[in-house]
Amino acid sequence: ETGVTQSPTHLIKTRGQQVTLRCSSQSGHNTVSWYQQALGQGPQFIFQYYREEENGRGNFPPRFSGLQFPNYSSELNVNALELDDSALYLCASSLTTGDYEKLFFGSGTQLSVL
Amino acid sequence: GDSVTQMEGPVTLSEEAFLTINCTYTATGYPSLFWYVQYPGEGLQLLLKATKADDKGSNKGFEATYRKETTSFHLEKGSVQVSDSAVYFCALSVTGNQFYFGTGTSLTVIP
Repeated sequence: ETGVTQSPTHLIKTRGQQVTLRCSSQSGHNTVSWYQQALGQGPQFIFQYYREEENGRGNFPPRFSGLQFPNYSSELNVNALELDDSALYLCASSLTTGDYEKLFFGSGTQLSVL
Repeated sequence: GDSVTQMEGPVTLSEEAFLTINCTYTATGYPSLFWYVQYPGEGLQLLLKATKADDKGSNKGFEATYRKETTSFHLEKGSVQVSDSAVYFCALSVTGNQFYFGTGTSLTVIP
C-alpha cells in the first residue's frame, strides 16, 4: 500500500512569485485535502478536493488554488507569494465511505518565502 | 467558530509515568473528536477518535473520552514508553471534510 507522497520536500521562493506543490494520494483514496502549518501552530484547512471538484474551503484567499487529477493526485498553487505564506504544507488523503474521517498525511513541503 | 485548545508543551516524562494532555473544544454542531500523532520524521497519523458524547477512543494504550458537558477530549496513557515521544494534536470535525487542529503538544519520554 503506497502512502501519501509530497514533492518537493523543501522549496525557497521570493515574494511575489508563484509556487506549485504536488501530492500523490494513498492508493484507493479519492479525496485529498491541503493544510497549512505555520511554525508552532496546528494544521489549518485550506481546501478539499473530491472527484476533481473543490469540496470545502477554509479561510484562505483566492490566490490559493488547487487541482485534483483523474488519478486522484493533486496540486496546490499559490500565486503572489507573501512572507506569511512560509509554512509547512500538508496533503492528506481519505476515503468518502467507511472510515472517511481518517486522514492519511504526507510528510509535507516546507515552503520558505524570502 | 469551531476550534480546539490543547495543553501547551513541551512535556517531558520519565518512562512508565502517567500521561495526560488536555484538550477542550468549541463547536457549532456535533463534532467528531480526534487525536493525531506525529512521530519524528513522519506525517501525522490518526491515533484515536470518538464520534459522539461519552464515547471512548483507544489505541496503543492511549485513551480519550468525549465529554460533552465539559467540552473536553483529554488524552491519557497509564505508562508511557520512550517510543511514545512525538507531537500530539487534538482535532475536531463537524462536516467530515474540514478538520480543526490544536497547536500540538510535544512529548519527550526519557528512559
